[in-house]
Amino acid sequence: EPEVTQTPSHQVTQMGQEVILRCVPISNHLYFYWYRQILGQKVEFLVSFYNNEISEKSEIFDDQFSVERPDGSNFTLKIRSTKLEDSAMYFCASSPRRGTANTGELFFGEGSRLTVL
Amino acid sequence: SQKIEQNSEALNIQEGKTATLTCNYTNYSPAYLQWYRQDPGRGPVFLLLIRENEKEKRKERLKVTFDTTLKQSLFHITASQPADSATYLCALGANQAGTALIFGKGTTLSVSS
Repeated sequence: EPEVTQTPSHQVTQMGQEVILRCVPISNHLYFYWYRQILGQKVEFLVSFYNNEISEKSEIFDDQFSVERPDGSNFTLKIRSTKLEDSAMYFCASSPRRGTANTGELFFGEGSRLTVL
Repeated sequence: SQKIEQNSEALNIQEGKTATLTCNYTNYSPAYLQWYRQDPGRGPVFLLLIRENEKEKRKERLKVTFDTTLKQSLFHITASQPADSATYLCALGANQAGTALIFGKGTTLSVSS
């Protein structure tokens, strides 16, 4: 069964360093998302991406964050200068087509755990 | 701002019983509501979607109801099994393309044998 894959599974970095989290969405999906989950907290929306541009972003997704789809398969989240509070599990997700009620379900990857020291 | 509350953080039941989880929301009119399962350290897994114009949806041992007047969804697992032990997340969505799903914090269900 097709799945969303994420790398790395765990990354430890020093505060102020740049981090890139990578995702390979399901191949025929058109919408891509990043969510994050701080330990013990709820899953929070960061950004959605369609047709090579951002569709929607949350207040969390400030200038330190960027997303890119550099080729036909990868979808990346970059954090330019990490802060302690960026420590969280970052989930990539994809969905098949437009976010209508018929196809609103998201397929999540297993996550990348980011630890900022 | 939008708020989602899931009835309790933890629910403990015995194997074979029906688990009922509640999701209440305020300041939002979702086009649909979804339920996900999340195991520790894993990504959420989609279970069921119910639209605003639907009252009830079933899938195997799962049943979801959606009352837009009460702004509430109930999620039932019948004949529960220890393998059903996980955190269950409620999420609200709009019809617009590429919009965010708003998640609740989840209810952790423990089914004992």
